Amino acid sequence: DGGITQSPKYLFRKEGQNVTLSCEQNLNHDAMYWYRQDPGQGLRLIYYSQIVNDFQKGDIAEGYSVSREKKESFPLTVTSAQKNPTAFYLCASSILGYYNEQFFGPGTRLTVL
Amino acid sequence: AQSVTQLGSHVSVSEGALVLLRCNYSSSVPPYLFWYVQYPNQGLQLLLKYTTGATLVKGINGFEAEFKKSETSFHLTKPSAHMSDAAEYFCAASWTSGSRLTFGEGTQLTVNP
Repeated sequence: DGGITQSPKYLFRKEGQNVTLSCEQNLNHDAMYWYRQDPGQGLRLIYYSQIVNDFQKGDIAEGYSVSREKKESFPLTVTSAQKNPTAFYLCASSILGYYNEQFFGPGTRLTVL
Repeated sequence: AQSVTQLGSHVSVSEGALVLLRCNYSSSVPPYLFWYVQYPNQGLQLLLKYTTGATLVKGINGFEAEFKKSETSFHLTKPSAHMSDAAEYFCAASWTSGSRLTFGEGTQLTVNP
């Protein structure tokens, strides 16, 4: 079955540690996205990538980094510079030139202790 | 700036009652429009979308939405609510193919027995 995989589902880290969230898709989609979701808030775009080896900052990129070395993979690193990293992180993908309909992964809940 | 507004962050209905979730966009140019549903601790799932053609769009789980250009609206409805409809619903818009999605703040739907 085609889809988007995010692992792990739950992640715990100590304050000051960098942590990398995984996102893999086998839909052959060109574009991939990372969103952050906080309780009672909507989705905020962190980074997105429309092509391998290229990515753009979203609305809240500070304290985060990404890479896009393969079409199917778009990992997100939450660095120690992110002041409030505890949140639910969602990865999505889409076909370029097709209304930008995005398909979402199941999400990773990160808790920083 | 182009934006999406969902009126009512919380909506409560009785089981069997009409569900109406409101979404308006701000732009003189009509966008592509989407409704997504999110169950607790899960990713977003596409309910329905409007791209071109018929303005009344039917989606999954008995939901439908009507695009009204004159009102810049895309309200989501379901004739009879079911307990399983309790979730958070997001309206989203995209103004050009390949561009990012703009999300509303979300509406939490509660269904009372």
